[in-house]
Amino acid sequence: GAGVSQSPRYKVAKRGQDVALRCDPISGHVSLFWYQQALGQGPEFLTYFQNEAQLDKSGLPSDRFFAERPEGSVSTLKIQRTQQEDSAVYLCASSLDRMPGRSSGRGYTFGSGTRLTVV
Amino acid sequence: AQSVTQPDIHITVSEGASLELRCNYSYGATPYLFWYVQSPGQGLQLLLKYFSGDTLVQGIKGFEAEFKRSQSSFNLRKPSVHWSDAAEYFCAVSTNAGKSTFGDGTTLTVKP
Repeated sequence: GAGVSQSPRYKVAKRGQDVALRCDPISGHVSLFWYQQALGQGPEFLTYFQNEAQLDKSGLPSDRFFAERPEGSVSTLKIQRTQQEDSAVYLCASSLDRMPGRSSGRGYTFGSGTRLTVV
Repeated sequence: AQSVTQPDIHITVSEGASLELRCNYSYGATPYLFWYVQSPGQGLQLLLKYFSGDTLVQGIKGFEAEFKRSQSSFNLRKPSVHWSDAAEYFCAVSTNAGKSTFGDGTTLTVKP
């Protein structure tokens, strides 16, 4: 498709349940980022992939969070044993560039996000 | 560590009036600075970015921003606001690899 697609758009999980959030980047995009956006706050970095390699996972808040991109395209963010504090919008962004932050880079495109509510 | 502060949580302006949204950053190296806009239920759309060179940057939708190194600021401006500009605006600073740190956003309300 023309944009970054995230599914589901909305997810309600009971506390303790495992969830999986999917990101379909733009075809051919090398870099993929996950961000977590809590209500009333800006997005916070979770993790970054270049193709299938997870180059930075420093933002993952706990070992309950796990992300993968096994074939260098679709990515899944998995949250185990969800807690109420995990409630947020999870944003995915992808870029054609290996270094999208560079001045010559084309930046990245964000998906519309998955809103996770843990009850 | 890099950080971004957007001092104004909420701003209200009348349609046709000028707009300035403030952004202050903290970053050890040359900053790569961005402004994004987010409408309800949508992802982030890039308005403009600054890497080097001319400190006045032009973006989409008639927005511009000025980088002031001495003030560690990157304020967003628009000479005449339209009702469709009502949204949330985020300032961000990025590393070379594209990992961004965002401010907490400023919500813009436009009065008719």
